[in-house]
Amino acid sequence: QSVLTQPPSVSAAPGQRVSISCSGSRSNIGDNHVSWYQHLPGTAPKLLIYDNNQRPSGIPDRFSGSKSGTSATLAITGLQTGDEADYYCGTWDTGLSVLYVFGGGTKVTVL
Amino acid sequence: QPKLVESGGGLVEPGGSLRLSCAASGFPFSEHYMSWFRQAPGKGLEWVSYISASGNTIYYADSVKGRFTISRDNAKKSLFLQMHSLRADDSAVYYCAKYDYGSFFDWGQGTLVTVSS
Repeated sequence: QSVLTQPPSVSAAPGQRVSISCSGSRSNIGDNHVSWYQHLPGTAPKLLIYDNNQRPSGIPDRFSGSKSGTSATLAITGLQTGDEADYYCGTWDTGLSVLYVFGGGTKVTVL
Repeated sequence: QPKLVESGGGLVEPGGSLRLSCAASGFPFSEHYMSWFRQAPGKGLEWVSYISASGNTIYYADSVKGRFTISRDNAKKSLFLQMHSLRADDSAVYYCAKYDYGSFFDWGQGTLVTVSS
């Protein structure tokens, strides 16, 4: 059971838009910045979004992030076949102890 | 460009020990906080441990607390994870990652740990 809640899967046709939700609580998303990672099992995870809505150098603006209260969202526009991967939200949980927590991951499928 | 290369994974029996290493290059290692993560087969990403640049501040996931020890050698630009009392559910690909601006910007390719008799 993950601390953060994500839908298991989302899908759309090439060129379309998908959004992935990430729900948490005050001690994690509510009080800390959210990051989003793209991961193909067996490869190095890639940071897509940090500080809720900032893109690292080299990440296209098709990827965008937002946060409101204890929830965050990753949006991918102009979906491409190369976007098929698992996506994870992550943040610090600064409740009783300090932990870095993830959502369970969302599999994006390009139809 | 930052580069992180993990090593030390392998097959170990339940109750055994293993030491993972992460060799860093392409950035000032001694100035950066670092972490270990893992992904078990069929499971999602899981954070394991975190160490400050000086090594003075360390955090662990509850699942490994008391069994794993994170450390670093800034002179050798290396991060370590000493794992004891290994269990089957510790089997995973282990990744090291570099911390910046509240997030993990650069990751290694991972090293596989299999705990089995």
